[in-house]
Amino acid sequence: QQPVQSPQAVILREGEDAVINCSSSKALYSVHWYRQKHGEAPVFLMILLKGGEQKGHDKISASFNEKKQQSSLYLTASQLSYSGTYFCGTGTEMNRDDKIIFGKGTRLHILP
Amino acid sequence: DGGITQSPKYLFRKEGQNVTLSCEQNLNHDAMYWYRQDPGQGLRLIYYSQIVNDFQKGDIAEGYSVSREKKESFPLTVTSAQKNPTAFYLCASSSGTFSTSGPEAFFGQGTRLTVV
Repeated sequence: QQPVQSPQAVILREGEDAVINCSSSKALYSVHWYRQKHGEAPVFLMILLKGGEQKGHDKISASFNEKKQQSSLYLTASQLSYSGTYFCGTGTEMNRDDKIIFGKGTRLHILP
Repeated sequence: DGGITQSPKYLFRKEGQNVTLSCEQNLNHDAMYWYRQDPGQGLRLIYYSQIVNDFQKGDIAEGYSVSREKKESFPLTVTSAQKNPTAFYLCASSSGTFSTSGPEAFFGQGTRLTVV
């Protein structure tokens, strides 16, 4: 039931682009993206709802393909501050009851 | 300042003892959640509550208990029945229907529990 994130980890140099994927075996209603720095609380990035939308702010954007039951997070021209672990959380069609299941996370490390 | 506060930050427990983790929010949020975080496992849902005096089990509720007597508070008790309680525990809250309408969740700074 836990969504699958890929890759598990990625190392980039500052200025390079990254894509983090999140896929589910169940029909999705919503996908949530959070970033957590070591020892800190996760911080909300964005949510995408059923409808196949895309969202973005600054150089971080995401897409949601409900047919494929997956979402992708795009980080362009990465900055050192983007380092951390990224989690996707999914809300499924079967349980619209405020229950969000998170993936295992993708560790992103940006080198100067 | 509004926010969500977890205490204590670090907690040590002897085997066989129950321990209660505190979570308080002054954001006037209806929904509150407890997650457990282990290395490489992501965030796993223990319990969640949408309104006062009501709560539901998450995916790993065994060995845990909660109460929601006040809107602001959602304490988590780790009982002696929890076989492997050493972990990082995160509490979160949100203003509405978390999974469908999309209000963001605010997380506390977490409590690191160690069984000694």
